[in-house]
Amino acid sequence: EPEVTQTPSHQVTQMGQEVILRCVPISNHLYFYWYRQILGQKVEFLVSFYNNEISEKSEIFDDQFSVERPDGSNFTLKIRSTKLEDSAMYFCASSDPAGGALSTEAFFGQGTRLTVV
Amino acid sequence: AQTVTQSQPEMSVQEAETVTLSCTYDTSESNYYLFWYKQPPSRQMILVIRQEAYKQQNATENRFSVNFQKAAKSFSLKISDSQLGDTAMYFCASPPRKLTFGTGTRLQVTL
Repeated sequence: EPEVTQTPSHQVTQMGQEVILRCVPISNHLYFYWYRQILGQKVEFLVSFYNNEISEKSEIFDDQFSVERPDGSNFTLKIRSTKLEDSAMYFCASSDPAGGALSTEAFFGQGTRLTVV
Repeated sequence: AQTVTQSQPEMSVQEAETVTLSCTYDTSESNYYLFWYKQPPSRQMILVIRQEAYKQQNATENRFSVNFQKAAKSFSLKISDSQLGDTAMYFCASPPRKLTFGTGTRLQVTL
């Protein structure tokens, strides 16, 4: 069964460092997302990406964040200068365009646990 | 703005019993979908069940079913014959375009 894969599963980084979280969405999906879940809190939308550009982003997704689809398979989230409060689980998701992103489920990756020290 | 509310932070049920998790939402959209996601201790997000708002029939997926009340904007999840493996956080969520999640209900299934 196709799945969304994320690497690494856990990353520890020092405050101020740049991190790149990687995702390989399901191959025929065209909508891609990043979500964040701070420990003990709800899952929060960060950004959606379609047709090689950001389609929507939340207030959390400030200038420290960027996304990229560098090739036909990877979808990355970059945090330029990490802060302690960026420590969270980051989920990548993708959805099938059939029926539009409105209707179809988002398939989630297993998440990357980012710890900023 | 889209809002999703789960008013039960924690629930407990005995194995083989039935439990219902509640969710209410608010949306200005006329066509939308509603989802329940399960997050076990591994923290992976797993889709449990999906409901299309324009369908009157409640969705069912094996032991999981929903009670969808469109006028009341209510979308509860019923788990029948609860199993130990059902122990997890359960999130209600709704599009459009991006998922808005509730705060979750932590379900503990006990022997």
